[in-house]
Amino acid sequence: DTGVSQDPRHKITKRGQNVTFRCDPISEHNRLYWYRQTLGQGPEFLTYFQNEAQLEKSRLLSDRFSAERPKGSFSTLEIQRTEQGDSAMYLCASSPREYGYTFGSGTRLTVV
Amino acid sequence: GQSLEQPSEVTAVEGAIVQINCTYQTSGFYGLSWYQQHDGGAPTFLSYNALDGLEETGRFSSFLSRSDSYGYLLLQELQMKDSASYFCAVRDGSGNTPLVFGKGTRLSVIA
Repeated sequence: DTGVSQDPRHKITKRGQNVTFRCDPISEHNRLYWYRQTLGQGPEFLTYFQNEAQLEKSRLLSDRFSAERPKGSFSTLEIQRTEQGDSAMYLCASSPREYGYTFGSGTRLTVV
Repeated sequence: GQSLEQPSEVTAVEGAIVQINCTYQTSGFYGLSWYQQHDGGAPTFLSYNALDGLEETGRFSSFLSRSDSYGYLLLQELQMKDSASYFCAVRDGSGNTPLVFGKGTRLSVIA
């Protein structure tokens, strides 16, 4: 068990570019979550998968955001046409149940 | 929707006891969780209360009162390494509902 892995750790991109982040959850965990966190705030929910099914998506998530979890294993989060307001830490978490999430170290996105 | 209130900052002396409170407003309630996050690190799970009462795990304890929509995290024998942000989080629905986090309490432990 190597924990939840996220790649890359840091990403700097120009406004308008597309970016994709990857999350590898703990293998036995069927639940996978994406959160976003800005400085001084708590994690903000983005989307949730149980196995390969995307079961919930935040109303705050614009159409520029999309996530996938093919075959119920790793997940990707894509942001199209990035904006400066997208700059944040993007956290992935997995869990075998409704509580007790294990978070990855996150991907820090900076849009310039 | 949901809302959670917790103090933004708390300072305590090494070796002392500190209590971080959390009040919540949710349409339903399916448990209160606590997470710790050091600067630059990932949130890590500390505790979960589904029923009223006190849960103890080493130096950390967590309390829940569902009738008061209130909980707290109690840290005893504070150590410098306890300096971190602490988040309470709730689920307001069963099954697939994800956690909603508070804004966090920054704990500073001083010598």
